Amino acid sequence: GQNIDQPTEMTATEGAIVQINCTYQTSGFNGLFWYQQHAGEAPTFLSYNVLDGLEEKGRFSSFLSRSKGYSYLLLKELQMKDSASYLCAPTRDKIIFGKGTRLHILP
Amino acid sequence: GAGVSQSPSNKVTEKGKDVELRCDPISGHTALYWYRQSLGQGLEFLIYFQGNSAPDKSGLPSDRFSAERTGGSVSTLTIQRTQQEDSAVYLCASSSIGGGKGQPQHFGDGTRLSIL
Repeated sequence: GQNIDQPTEMTATEGAIVQINCTYQTSGFNGLFWYQQHAGEAPTFLSYNVLDGLEEKGRFSSFLSRSKGYSYLLLKELQMKDSASYLCAPTRDKIIFGKGTRLHILP
Repeated sequence: GAGVSQSPSNKVTEKGKDVELRCDPISGHTALYWYRQSLGQGLEFLIYFQGNSAPDKSGLPSDRFSAERTGGSVSTLTIQRTQQEDSAVYLCASSSIGGGKGQPQHFGDGTRLSIL
C-alpha cells in the first residue's frame, strides 16, 4: 500500500527560501517525483530522485532519504510565479500522487 | 503530436447520460494513465495502461467507469449513467515506459466534466 503525507498549505515571502516536506510509506519503492501544478493547469515535472541525497536544478532542489521514507523540495529565491501546488509522488510500478502542498507567495 | 491531447476540453451533460473522454498520448509513449481531480483536491489514480493492456485498474470508482486503449495509442474513458459526484477534471498522462522506472509523466490539459 501507500501513504503520503505533506503539508496542505504553506506561505512564504518573495525572495525567501521554502522547504516542502513529504513522508511516504510505499511498498516496492522505486523513486520519487515532484510535480508543480498551477491553479487550473496540468501538473508539470520538476524532479526525480532514486538515490539518497540532494539533486539541485537551478532554484529548485530535491532531497531523498530512502531509509527514512522522506523527501523534501527546496525552493530558493522565491518568485510570485512559484505560487502553485507541489505534488510529492513516490513510485512503485506506478506513480502515486500525494494531495499536494499549496504554496502561497507574499510580495 | 508534441504533447498529450485531450478532448473535449469541457463537457457539460445531464445526470444519467453517458460520456466518453479521449486521450491522445505523446507518440511512442507506451504507458498511459487516467486521473481524476476534484476542485482543490489531489490527483486520484483511475487506471494505467501499458500498451493496450491495463495491468492496474484498481482506481476505477465503480463499474460505471471503463477505459480502453487501441493500437497502443489513443485511449477513451467512458462513464455510464453519470452522477453529480462524477464532476471533476479528468487528466490523462503518458510516459515513455512505465512510470515506476523514472520516466516522468507528461499530462494533457484535462477534460472538465460537469454533471447537471
